[in-house]
Amino acid sequence: QVQLVDSGGGVVQPGRSLRLSCEASGFTFNSYGMHWVRQAPGKGLEWVAVIWYDGSNKYYADSVKGRFTISRDNSKNTLYLQMNSLRAEDTAVYYCARDRGSSGWYGFTDWGQGTLVTVSS
Amino acid sequence: QSVLTQPPSVSAAPGQKVTISCSGSSSNIGNNYVSWYQQLPGTAPKLLMYENNKRPSGIPDRFSGSKSGTSATLGITGLQTGDEADYYCGTWDSSLSAGVFGGGTKVTVL
Repeated sequence: QVQLVDSGGGVVQPGRSLRLSCEASGFTFNSYGMHWVRQAPGKGLEWVAVIWYDGSNKYYADSVKGRFTISRDNSKNTLYLQMNSLRAEDTAVYYCARDRGSSGWYGFTDWGQGTLVTVSS
Repeated sequence: QSVLTQPPSVSAAPGQKVTISCSGSSSNIGNNYVSWYQQLPGTAPKLLMYENNKRPSGIPDRFSGSKSGTSATLGITGLQTGDEADYYCGTWDSSLSAGVFGGGTKVTVL
C-alpha cells in the first residue's frame, strides 16, 4: 500500500536551518508530482511547495520563496524540503502529499503523517 | 486571509444535508480543478473529491462536489457523527503560480 513517512522535524532557533524528508513507498514515485503542505497550531492548511515528477519545475508559496527549497531524489523515492532562515511563523506540522498527476494540482491522494517544526529561541 | 473563501462553520442534525461553499476567482477556481479534503481531529487530511466532482474509491456517494464559475461546493447528505471534521477546498492559482487552500470549514453534527 502507499506510504509516505515524514521526518526531520524538531525544535530550531530562528534564523537556523532544517531539512525535512518524506520517504515514499507503494507506488511509482518518479511518476507523480509531490507537495509540501503545512498547518500551524490551531490553524488551517497552507500550501508550501510543489515539485513535478521529474524535478523539472518547482513552485513556492510567497511566504517561503527564497528561503525554502523543494527537491526529490527519484532513485531513493524521497522528497525533501530544505528550510533556511527559519522564522517563528514557520512553526507548523509539515505534511508531504502525493498529487494524482505528474505536474500541477489534480488532488492530493496520499499524505504523510506530518512532522512538527517548532521555531523558537 | 485565504485566497479561497469558505464559511468558518456549518451544522445540521444527523441525517440532514450540509453544503460548504468555496469562493475564488478566475485565476484559481475559474480555470483549475478544485479538490476537497476532510481532516478529522489530530489526523492528516484525506482526499474527498478531486477534479471538482470525482470521488476517490472508498468515499461514499453521500459526498458530492460541484463547480460553477469561480465557486465550488461540497455537499454532504445523510450527515453522520463521524462526519464531524474540518473541510478544506484547494486548487491551483495560475496568477500566483502557487497552490491555494480555503480557510477551512468546521462541520458540526447537532
